[in-house]
Amino acid sequence: GENVEQHPSTLSVQEGDSAVIKCTYSDSASNYFPWYKQELGKRPQLIIDIRSNVGEKKDQRIAVTLNKTAKHFSLHITETQPEDSAVYFCAATPFYNFNKFYFGSGTKLNVKP
Amino acid sequence: DSGVTQTPKHLITATGQRVTLRCSPRSGDLSVYWYQQSLDQGLQFLIQYYNGEERAKGNILERFSAQQFPDLHSELNLSSLELGDSALYFCASSVAGTSGPNEQFFGPGTRLTVL
Repeated sequence: GENVEQHPSTLSVQEGDSAVIKCTYSDSASNYFPWYKQELGKRPQLIIDIRSNVGEKKDQRIAVTLNKTAKHFSLHITETQPEDSAVYFCAATPFYNFNKFYFGSGTKLNVKP
Repeated sequence: DSGVTQTPKHLITATGQRVTLRCSPRSGDLSVYWYQQSLDQGLQFLIQYYNGEERAKGNILERFSAQQFPDLHSELNLSSLELGDSALYFCASSVAGTSGPNEQFFGPGTRLTVL
């Protein structure tokens, strides 16, 4: 099955700086890559996703890039704000079993004011 | 609010007991997913149902079972509970589940504590 690794496990940045979280996946059949944000004590919520037919997707301060050849994808947050502090999870899902999301272990982002 | 509801919010029980967690998906969603999140851990996929039928299975223990009813709500049954089963259990739902991946909307979770 698919294996998703996520780095770093914790990330501390100064407010206004950029943050980058990276994930690698093992199954070349994976073609959908969502990112979820989980604030403390709350439910995970989708913040952005990308499908394998594009290499980059942007939504205001967040962007995701995908390198299918290298089998990795990254979340980029620019101009970070304290409210960006949360745990971020990446996931991958293969086309042959697209209901099964394989999540990374999470990155705890701390944005210092 | 995602529109997915889960009950109860908290559950405290003893080892060896059996509990049932309940989930109601968003209106119109046919797929329900169950995840386990242990302390400071990622989300472990347990099982998925689509319109009453099991569609995908993760590392769900044999002591755990689930079902989806005709009204589309789902229940996760955990039996012979062990201390290690203490975790946050999330239910998620999505629109479909037959033609490709869709955003999964998560419920607020049920925190299970096994003493």
